[in-house]
Amino acid sequence: EIVMTQSPATLSVSPGERATLSCRASQSVSDNLAWYQQKPGQAPRLLLYGASTRATDIPARFSGSGSETEFTLTISSLQSEDFAVYYCQQYDNWPQTFGLGTRVEI
Amino acid sequence: QVQLVESGGGVVQPGRSLRLSCAASGFTFSSYGMHWVRQAPGKGLEWVAVISYDGSNKYYTDSVKGRFTISRDNSKDTMNLQMNSLRAEDTAVYYCAKGEGSGWHSEHLDNWGQGTLVTVSS
Repeated sequence: EIVMTQSPATLSVSPGERATLSCRASQSVSDNLAWYQQKPGQAPRLLLYGASTRATDIPARFSGSGSETEFTLTISSLQSEDFAVYYCQQYDNWPQTFGLGTRVEI
Repeated sequence: QVQLVESGGGVVQPGRSLRLSCAASGFTFSSYGMHWVRQAPGKGLEWVAVISYDGSNKYYTDSVKGRFTISRDNSKDTMNLQMNSLRAEDTAVYYCAKGEGSGWHSEHLDNWGQGTLVTVSS
């Protein structure tokens, strides 16, 4: 199965700053890469798919880039509601696999 | 709007069985692949299983093959996960999620339920 590696495990950022999260696949997944946000006690929410396409109602401060094995999620100016755990997921092959997540904290 | 509501979680002894359900509304259920994803306490997300829009294709992660069975009833807009021979390591919140496509190909998950907790313990 494809292993997804996210870094860093924890990112400490101040409100208004930029956050850059990385995700690496153990083999090429083309652009079949999604990002999800999960807040404590809540279900995950789809942020981006196709590596860079924002899901419905996702603010423009969230952007994604990359292809094949290297991907990045950028939050341009962190808002208080953005402090959460972020997961990448490849859906190029079965089984679909998630990274272990990056916690974005104040 | 899309709504997914899981039910059936609880505390069960190792080796016993449990059946989870997911009730869907707000979209044409019979057109989309449906998935189960789980999350052990304090851990990350683990994809568990998928069923295609018509129920003809099913795929499971290795750790549950032969023990879990996914099914759906398009006449009732529901999906189920029959979990047999449960183990302590199956303890998790189980989420029902809607795929963006038919479920015949690996796909991203565009809507999620709130989850139901399964605890396997003696």
